[in-house]
Amino acid sequence: AQSVTQPDIHITVSEGASLELRCNYSYGATPYLFWYVQSPGQGLQLLLKYFSGDTLVQGIKGFEAEFKRSQSSFNLRKPSVHWSDAAEYFCAVGRGDNAGNMLTFGGGTRLMVKP
Amino acid sequence: KAGVTQTPRYLIKTRGQQVTLSCSPISGHRSVSWYQQTPGQGLQFLFEYFSETQRNKGNFPGRFSGRQFSNSRSEMNVSTLELGDSALYLCASRLTTGVNSPLHFGNGTRLTVT
Repeated sequence: AQSVTQPDIHITVSEGASLELRCNYSYGATPYLFWYVQSPGQGLQLLLKYFSGDTLVQGIKGFEAEFKRSQSSFNLRKPSVHWSDAAEYFCAVGRGDNAGNMLTFGGGTRLMVKP
Repeated sequence: KAGVTQTPRYLIKTRGQQVTLSCSPISGHRSVSWYQQTPGQGLQFLFEYFSETQRNKGNFPGRFSGRQFSNSRSEMNVSTLELGDSALYLCASRLTTGVNSPLHFGNGTRLTVT
């Protein structure tokens, strides 16, 4: 069974600083990887996804993520954080074999932005 | 295009009661999934429906059930509510059932069981 670990439960960064949120997955085959963001009282919004090809993927709101198969990681990055980025971020993995199309989510990382 | 709509937004129920939550997917989306979000367990998959058929089911007791109608709208039902069922229930729709078809989430229904 697949699993996702987000080692950092909380992260605080200053506005304008760079950001990296870590995500490690466990899955035997090529995973389908996603990053979602959830603002308070809201549902989840898709930031970006990786299926195949270029291991550096660009998403919305200036986010990018890099797939590293050797490290089983899919870390999310942003060069300069804005106060509006404060939210909870979820990494998720899906199976590519259509036997189970549900996503398995990590526990989330709550991002706080200092002015 | 309207997003995924979930009703009601908030619900308070008593232990032992049952509850029905509703989800209207994005127009044209035929797959609807349900997830439970709690502080302790995080986001957990409940089930997915496509063309009125349940395609996948997560590891939840039989008290949790769902259905999908011909217009793709979906409902989930929880019977004999327990305190541990208090959670944010999220519905998500997508165009197809393929894992590469991104999920679009609604804002959820916050269920409190007292």
